[in-house]
Amino acid sequence: GAVVSQHPSWVICKSGTSVKIECRSLDFQATTMFWYRQFPKQSLMLMATSNEGSKATYEQGVEKDKFLINHASLTLSTLTVTSAHPEDSSFYICSASGQPRNSPLHFGNGTRLTVT
Amino acid sequence: GESVGLHLPTLSVQEGDNSIINCAYSNSASDYFIWYKQESGKGPQFIIDIRSNMDKRQGQRVTVLLNKTVKHLSLQIAATQPGDSAVYFCAESGGSYIPTFGRGTSLIVHP
Repeated sequence: GAVVSQHPSWVICKSGTSVKIECRSLDFQATTMFWYRQFPKQSLMLMATSNEGSKATYEQGVEKDKFLINHASLTLSTLTVTSAHPEDSSFYICSASGQPRNSPLHFGNGTRLTVT
Repeated sequence: GESVGLHLPTLSVQEGDNSIINCAYSNSASDYFIWYKQESGKGPQFIIDIRSNMDKRQGQRVTVLLNKTVKHLSLQIAATQPGDSAVYFCAESGGSYIPTFGRGTSLIVHP
């Protein structure tokens, strides 16, 4: 089946530093990738939609300069949390969509970010 | 039983019982619905999907029912096992192809 690999699975960083999270589709080409944020015991909150070769579309309230998304190839999207603060601590999950567009998303296993 | 509060609704069942998890969706234009299972510390996994031209679809031990009239979706798990303990999310999508996730239900299976 389709596999999405997300790395790292967890990261601890200091306030003010930047963290990059990678999302790779291992055995299929992902034209669209989604980045979600999830707080404990809550649903997934869509942050942005990234399409290969074009700029990401951010959801309302998500700062595009804080959460930089790059989708440079059909198998890789990255999310960079810039100048991280403790309130950015969260579980970040990526997902990838292949074809047809209205088909199940394939999720990575998430990245637990802790900012100290 | 099921409880709703500030946190995820919780459904507690005994091993071997059947479980029914419900979901109300909001967009009448949605035509594709998916159920995902999320275990603690992991990403969601696809369980089963259904398109709007159907009202029932069965998988292995799972059945999804769709009632478009009242915009309601349910997931039935037969002979629930401890390994089914997880949070279950429904998701809907339509013309935008961007799925919208429901609130989620925490299923706890007691041995």
